[in-house]
Amino acid sequence: DVKVTQSSRYLVKRTGEKVFLECVQDMDHENMFWYRQDPGLGLRLIYFSYDVKMKEKGDIPEGYSVSREKKERFSLILESASTNQTSMYLCASSFDRVETQYFGPGTRLLVL
Amino acid sequence: SQQGEEDPQALSIQEGENATMNCSYKTSINNLQWYRQNSGRGLVHLILIRSNEREKHSGRLRVTLDTSKKSSSLLITASRAADTASYFCATDGTGNTPLVFGKGTRLSVIA
Repeated sequence: DVKVTQSSRYLVKRTGEKVFLECVQDMDHENMFWYRQDPGLGLRLIYFSYDVKMKEKGDIPEGYSVSREKKERFSLILESASTNQTSMYLCASSFDRVETQYFGPGTRLLVL
Repeated sequence: SQQGEEDPQALSIQEGENATMNCSYKTSINNLQWYRQNSGRGLVHLILIRSNEREKHSGRLRVTLDTSKKSSSLLITASRAADTASYFCATDGTGNTPLVFGKGTRLSVIA
């Protein structure tokens, strides 16, 4: 079975802090994705990566950056956290970018 | 970007009843997928239906796709309390853009 893990289930940070969210998948998938999920807004794509060191912006990349140094790991970075980045963050991976996505359990981030 | 829209936004039924959720989308697709999300958790893939398929079954799930109407439906038969979750449709777009998810239908099954 595909397993996608995220480094934290819950995270509390202060405004201005640098925040790292880590995601690891064990199925050798080419594609990895970061979403944020907010009530009433559904899932919104922040960034995705289709290969090591490759990345593409999603619908809401502002305030975020990503890193993919190894195939199995995709990191989301909030350079200077702000309260409007309080959200549920979901990571996913897939063999092909339009085929089935496998999700991690999510990280609920609170920025104070 | 293109987005599937689920309807209704929320649905409440009694255990044992059938639940039907709909998804409409705007442009041509290659496939449409349905996912489930239990409260506070990640999404779980349920079923994928390709544009040349009209109906697909998986256990108590039945998915239909009508490309002429640009719509899909997810039917859960003989619902159980454990089916309580949010259900999302996701569509691929033109070119090789990633999946786009709708906002979901929140299903409550009352025992």
